[in-house]
Amino acid sequence: EPEVTQTPSHQVTQMGQEVILRCVPISNHLYFYWYRQILGQKVEFLVSFYNNEISEKSEIFDDQFSVERPDGSNFTLKIRSTKLEDSAMYFCASSETGYNQPQHFGDGTRLSIL
Amino acid sequence: RKEVEQDPGPFNVPEGATVAFNCTYSNSASQSFFWYRQDCRKEPKLLMSVYSSGNEDGRFTAQLNRASQYISLLIRDSKLSDSATYLCVVPGRGGSQGNLIFGKGTKLSVKP
Repeated sequence: EPEVTQTPSHQVTQMGQEVILRCVPISNHLYFYWYRQILGQKVEFLVSFYNNEISEKSEIFDDQFSVERPDGSNFTLKIRSTKLEDSAMYFCASSETGYNQPQHFGDGTRLSIL
Repeated sequence: RKEVEQDPGPFNVPEGATVAFNCTYSNSASQSFFWYRQDCRKEPKLLMSVYSSGNEDGRFTAQLNRASQYISLLIRDSKLSDSATYLCVVPGRGGSQGNLIFGKGTKLSVKP
């Protein structure tokens, strides 16, 4: 069964540094998403991406964050000037079509900011 | 009303028991609903999609009551492997591109 893959599985970074989280969505999917989950809290939407541009973003997704699809397979989340409160699990997801469709999640990147 | 609200549990049940989880949502325009399960420190995994009044898949049954904005998940004949957190998920209000709103989840622990 096709799956969403994410790298790295765990990233440890000093506060103030930049990190790039990588995702390879399912190949025939057209919609891509990033979510985060702070330990003990619920999963929160960050951003959706379709047709090479951001289609929707949450209040969390401020100027510190950016997304990119640098080639035909990868989908990245960049976090600049990381803060302690950015420590969380970051999940990438994809869906074949958009609204009303289930999304399939990667196994996440655990980001730890020191 | 919160966007998605669930009883946090935990539900501690013996193997073989039937257990039901409830979820209420605020967006009356929602057309689709999902139940995901999440094991500790793992990704959410799709359990069931609900588009009409309900859905059934083996031991799992989801029911939707649009008038009350209420969704339920019933698990029959619980297995040890059903122990997980069950997430009620609803599409967000704003856009058409499908961001999902997650409940905080209901924790289930099935004991031998």
